[in-house]
Amino acid sequence: AQSVTQPDIHITVSEGASLELRCNYSYGATPYLFWYVQSPGQGLQLLLKYFSGDTLVQGIKGFEAEFKRSQSSFNLRKPSVHWSDAAEYFCAVGGNAGNNRKLIWGLGTSLAVNP
Amino acid sequence: NAGVTQTPKFQVLKTGQSMTLQCAQDMNHNSMYWYRQDPGMGLRLIYYSASEGTTDKGEVPNGYNVSRLNKREFSLRLESAAPSQTSVYFCASARTGTPIYNEQFFGPGTRLTVL
Repeated sequence: AQSVTQPDIHITVSEGASLELRCNYSYGATPYLFWYVQSPGQGLQLLLKYFSGDTLVQGIKGFEAEFKRSQSSFNLRKPSVHWSDAAEYFCAVGGNAGNNRKLIWGLGTSLAVNP
Repeated sequence: NAGVTQTPKFQVLKTGQSMTLQCAQDMNHNSMYWYRQDPGMGLRLIYYSASEGTTDKGEVPNGYNVSRLNKREFSLRLESAAPSQTSVYFCASARTGTPIYNEQFFGPGTRLTVL
C-alpha cells in the first residue's frame, strides 16, 4: 500500500538549534518526493522536491532534504532554526505512472521554536 | 500571476444550507484538487480533476460535488451542509502530463464552519 509516515507529530527546538524532520514512504514505483510548509492560518508552500539525480536537494528558507532509497526516507533538515520556522510541515510522495496525478500525504509534523 | 485563488476566505453556514466554494488558477495547469484539512488528520483529498471535463473521487467525497467549469476553474459544492463538514478547504493545481511532476500549488484556503 502507498503511504507516507511522519513519525513525529510535534517537535520543539530552540532557536539556533539544528532540525531534522523524518519522513518515510511506501511507494511501488519511482517516487517523486515533496516537503511543504504551512504557516498558521496559511496555505501550503513547497519547500523542496526530489525527482531524480542528486539525492541531497536544497530548498527555500535554508532547508535541505536527503533521499535515501534504501531506507525509503526523505528527511528534512535545517542547520539553524529561526523562530519564523515554527509551522506545520508535510511530506508527500507522488509518482510518474501514466494515470497517477495524486499525491500521498503524511499527517504532518508541527514544529515549535523556543526563543 | 495570482496563482491559485479561492473564494470565500471564511464562511459560516447553518446545517442544511448549501454553498459553492470557488477556485481558479492562472498557471495553465491541467489538474486541480480539493482537499479538506482537519486537526490531526492532515490533508484529505475530496475530489480531483485530472483534466478539463473529468472529475474523480478522492478519499472523502461523500456530501460534496464538484464541477470543472473550464481549465481555470474548479468548484466544490456542499448541497446540504453538516457540522462534520466544518473544516478548512484547500484547492490546489498541478501541471501533470508526460513526464508527470505532480508538484501541487495551493490556494490560501476557505475556513468553513457549519453550525
